[in-house]
Amino acid sequence: KAGVTQTPRYLIKTRGQQVTLSCSPISGHRSVSWYQQTPGQGLQFLFEYFSETQRNKGNFPGRFSGRQFSNSRSEMNVSTLELGDSALYLCASSLEGPGAGEQYFGPGTRLTVT
Amino acid sequence: GENVEQHPSTLSVQEGDSAVIKCTYSDSASNYFPWYKQELGKRPQLIIDIRSNVGEKKDQRIAVTLNKTAKHFSLHITETQPEDSAVYFCAANDNAGNMLTFGGGTRLMVKP
Repeated sequence: KAGVTQTPRYLIKTRGQQVTLSCSPISGHRSVSWYQQTPGQGLQFLFEYFSETQRNKGNFPGRFSGRQFSNSRSEMNVSTLELGDSALYLCASSLEGPGAGEQYFGPGTRLTVT
Repeated sequence: GENVEQHPSTLSVQEGDSAVIKCTYSDSASNYFPWYKQELGKRPQLIIDIRSNVGEKKDQRIAVTLNKTAKHFSLHITETQPEDSAVYFCAANDNAGNMLTFGGGTRLMVKP
């Protein structure tokens, strides 16, 4: 079974631009969660989607948004990029949700904002 | 919302020694507590988890204990090996099971 994949793996953007990151979950997994990982803040929960519905959102500004498609693939978008948005963005998929059982992480997208 | 605190932030042990990482959580409704290991440059991977109806769980050299009354849980690694060197994250779920709150991580270094 193929693992969680994320594209692109690396991205360099300029302040003020927007970016879209993509995540393809493990086949059969309906839940996709997104996390921001930085050296100082650890793993911060962004949001979780299940069957195309956002069920939970972390404490991030409205510039961070996401969606999930009918095939469970998910995208997250960050608008008006700031220097502080530089981070590793990880997505993770699971059968029923991250708090219900094992979730599998993708390799991440490393975003650098200059 | 849930708050998870993890200690210590760094831990250095000699190969063969035991390592213990502790976490506390705030939401008494949390009922699922996983531990993830992240090696340098790699993605986090689940190494063990425990549910609130169990007090202890073991898997070879790894064990997790849970004290619901005190709202804390711990990871125990025995007979540490250099390949155990990594960052370890604890987490706790919300009562709906739709999100995980992670601790700040513990960098474990096992010296040969």
